[in-house]
Amino acid sequence: GENVEQHPSTLSVQEGDSAVIKCTYSDSASNYFPWYKQELGKGPQLIIDIRSNVGEKKDQRIAVTLNKTAKHFSLHITETQPEDSAVYFCAAINNQGGKLIFGQGTELSVKP
Amino acid sequence: NAGVTQTPKFRVLKTGQSMTLLCAQDMNHEYMYWYRQDPGMGLRLIHYSVGEGTTAKGEVPDGYNVSRLKKQNFLLGLESAAPSQTSVYFCASSYSGAGGQETQYFGPGTRLLVL
Repeated sequence: GENVEQHPSTLSVQEGDSAVIKCTYSDSASNYFPWYKQELGKGPQLIIDIRSNVGEKKDQRIAVTLNKTAKHFSLHITETQPEDSAVYFCAAINNQGGKLIFGQGTELSVKP
Repeated sequence: NAGVTQTPKFRVLKTGQSMTLLCAQDMNHEYMYWYRQDPGMGLRLIHYSVGEGTTAKGEVPDGYNVSRLKKQNFLLGLESAAPSQTSVYFCASSYSGAGGQETQYFGPGTRLLVL
């Protein structure tokens, strides 16, 4: 089955700096890769996603890149702000009958 | 719309006690899921349901049972709680159909402590 590894487990950056979180997956059939943000005391919420036919996707300050050959994808946050502080989860799924498999999570701390 | 709601928010159990966690969604979603979240292990799927009256096992189903008697509700039961079941439990729901499991909407979580 699918296995998703996520690094780093914790990340601390200064406000205004960029943050990068990386994930690798094992199942080459996986074709959809969402990223979820979990704020303290809340459930995870989808923030951006990418499909296997696309190499990069941007939404304002966040972007996701996908390298199918290497089977890894990354979340990039530019101009970080204190409100970006949260736990971020990557996930992968083969949407033809597979289950969404989550990475271990990255706790991002943005220091003012 | 309230989205996905979970009851209770927090519970303390003694080993061997039983309890039921309730999840409700008002988005008319076919699919519903129960996850547990443990430090360093991400979100792991316990059980899921693809429609009213159906349930299936996920990655870590042992020690849990579920029921989906109504489309909007998904119940997670612990018959005999163990300390290893101390965790934060999240319910989620999603649309059905091709790619239906992709975007999942999560509830706020239930924090369970088993002593």
